[in-house]
Amino acid sequence: DTAVSQTPKYLVTQMGNDKSIKCEQNLGHDTMYWYKQDSKKFLKIMFSYNNKELIINETVPNRFSPKSPDKAHLNLHINSLELGDSAVYFCASSQVDGETQYFGPGTRLLVL
Amino acid sequence: GESVGLHLPTLSVQEGDNSIINCAYSNSASDYFIWYKQESGKGPQFIIDIRSNMDKRQGQRVTVLLNKTVKHLSLQIAATQPGDSAVYFCAENTGGFKTIFGAGTRLFVKA
Repeated sequence: DTAVSQTPKYLVTQMGNDKSIKCEQNLGHDTMYWYKQDSKKFLKIMFSYNNKELIINETVPNRFSPKSPDKAHLNLHINSLELGDSAVYFCASSQVDGETQYFGPGTRLLVL
Repeated sequence: GESVGLHLPTLSVQEGDNSIINCAYSNSASDYFIWYKQESGKGPQFIIDIRSNMDKRQGQRVTVLLNKTVKHLSLQIAATQPGDSAVYFCAENTGGFKTIFGAGTRLFVKA
């Protein structure tokens, strides 16, 4: 069974569109995260949720809005997509905040 | 400011040799450190971790060394194999929800 899954794996879209990425974990973890990885492989945290509550919101544009309907899901909605949003987005989860994180396979977003 | 790791360097080693990947961190309050391996097209995967009350921890073919005096972390891989080729990230945590990742090191293993 996949521990942390994301959909879609690839997302190609036009500038200005709105899109969502979904994440689910079946590990029973309390904390979930969204990371952005740029073309130079730099991983930067965007958001952190603990028991459906937003804990960390790094300096991310308001166009990015995470939603956690329950402890096992953390979705990312992006409004008015821009060229600079092109990156790989990773979802992750951990049993305890700050401890070992389990990453999903990533969503490769390309904005044209 | 906060910073972990070096700008993405590349390390090339011969199969069978030992690899050493280095990482520098700047937050002296960090008390938990993790090494992740990211293979092409996949998400980062946990390799080994160490807490600040230790200076060495060993796993299967991997060893992590922590030098708090100079804020340095290293990952040693014994008898490097082609399957070890990946990008390796060090990460630090100060006990909260935020883990800071280093820039990563790309390891090439030559057969």
